[in-house]
Amino acid sequence: DTGVSQNPRHKITKRGQNVTFRCDPISEHNRLYWYRQTLGQGPEFLTYFQNEAQLEKSRLLSDRFSAERPKGSFSTLEIQRTEQGDSAMYLCASSTRQGTNYGYTFGSGTRLTVV
Amino acid sequence: QQPVQSPQAVILREGEDAVINCSSSKALYSVHWYRQKHGEAPVFLMILLKGGEQKGHDKISASFNEKKQQSSLYLTASQLSYSGTYFCGTEANAGGTSYGKLTFGQGTILTVHP
Repeated sequence: DTGVSQNPRHKITKRGQNVTFRCDPISEHNRLYWYRQTLGQGPEFLTYFQNEAQLEKSRLLSDRFSAERPKGSFSTLEIQRTEQGDSAMYLCASSTRQGTNYGYTFGSGTRLTVV
Repeated sequence: QQPVQSPQAVILREGEDAVINCSSSKALYSVHWYRQKHGEAPVFLMILLKGGEQKGHDKISASFNEKKQQSSLYLTASQLSYSGTYFCGTEANAGGTSYGKLTFGQGTILTVHP
């Protein structure tokens, strides 16, 4: 397995545009998380999927953010009407509760810049 | 609520030891530790489950005091490759059910000089 893959690596968009990011988790991981990280801060939780079900969404997340995980495989995160405050690194992570290794495997992230 | 890490930054010479602390105000099910190098994704180091265990990974080990909701990461005989930002991620004790959702601390920047 090649790990967690995120695309694109970088995205520059104009304010007001919509953007969509993709995450391909490790195939045997049923849990998938989206986090956002800004410079000098730890990752901040956005949303969580177990298989295809979205079980939790951060209260900090506005209605402009939506995520899906069709068929419990890859996931997409969409931001509508982007704002400059959305500029950040968007990290996807996957994990499993099988065995004893519950750690997250993070993808390399998508760096969003809103101009 | 975000766990609090201390210190915020540490500067070491190769071979020196360091301790990074993580403290939470919530009852915890587990504590994770990650290391992130500049421009890269966080990398999982280890997980400690409730029960007060201590784990080791090469010259990096950690402890978890469930009663105090605190964890410490111990780096011994530091190497240049240890440089990076260390994050603890805490998983709240949700009454036996947990989604594995982590809340991360603000990070501790570790710099190791030759």
